[in-house]
Amino acid sequence: DTEVTQTPKHLVMGMTNKKSLKCEQHMGHRAMYWYKQKAKKPPELMFVYSYEKLSINESVPSRFSPECPNSSLLNLHLHALQPEDSALYLCASGKNTGELFFGEGSRLTVL
Amino acid sequence: EDQVTQSPEALRLQEGESSSLNCSYTVSGLRGLFWYRQDPGKGPEFLFTLYSAGEEKEKERLKATLTKKESFLHITAPKPEDSATYLCAVQVPSGGYNKLIFGAGTRLAVHP
Repeated sequence: DTEVTQTPKHLVMGMTNKKSLKCEQHMGHRAMYWYKQKAKKPPELMFVYSYEKLSINESVPSRFSPECPNSSLLNLHLHALQPEDSALYLCASGKNTGELFFGEGSRLTVL
Repeated sequence: EDQVTQSPEALRLQEGESSSLNCSYTVSGLRGLFWYRQDPGKGPEFLFTLYSAGEEKEKERLKATLTKKESFLHITAPKPEDSATYLCAVQVPSGGYNKLIFGAGTRLAVHP
């Protein structure tokens, strides 16, 4: 069982919808990450939060908006997405050592 | 530009047939090299961290090694349950923080 929990597991949304992906960890890690993964491709880093502050934004379009309400929670707010944004969105936590603990992901389909 | 290249893209083995996966990298300021295993539809699972050339780590049928330019993941007498995608990642500095850059992975299929 993963110690990083992501909800929902599956999400289908239209291009005009607003939705959010949620991630929770209780391992005491102070770094949390969002990755995007397309089929048969490696995970691509989107955002990194360190001590609840946004430390890395890999030039992600503003239709993706991250939020870290506290050290255990990480959200990704979605608005006006495009079909090419359909992917598996992975949340991870870690100690900034590179050893990351990933959730099972949220599979997003944009119609 | 930091780059991580894995080969082969896909590998099919018979149960018990040992082999090696390769990860070559070109990065500035390597902070560590990591191996992850990913099953279909799941998030990657951490396997090993290697920090310096000559270092080796082992876990069950897997052994990871590191040189100055590449890493190998050796699989000894694999079983069907070892079938997965194996991802290599390098940790590099980024604006005062560290980030992981993943290779494209090797899809391993072990047949009985």
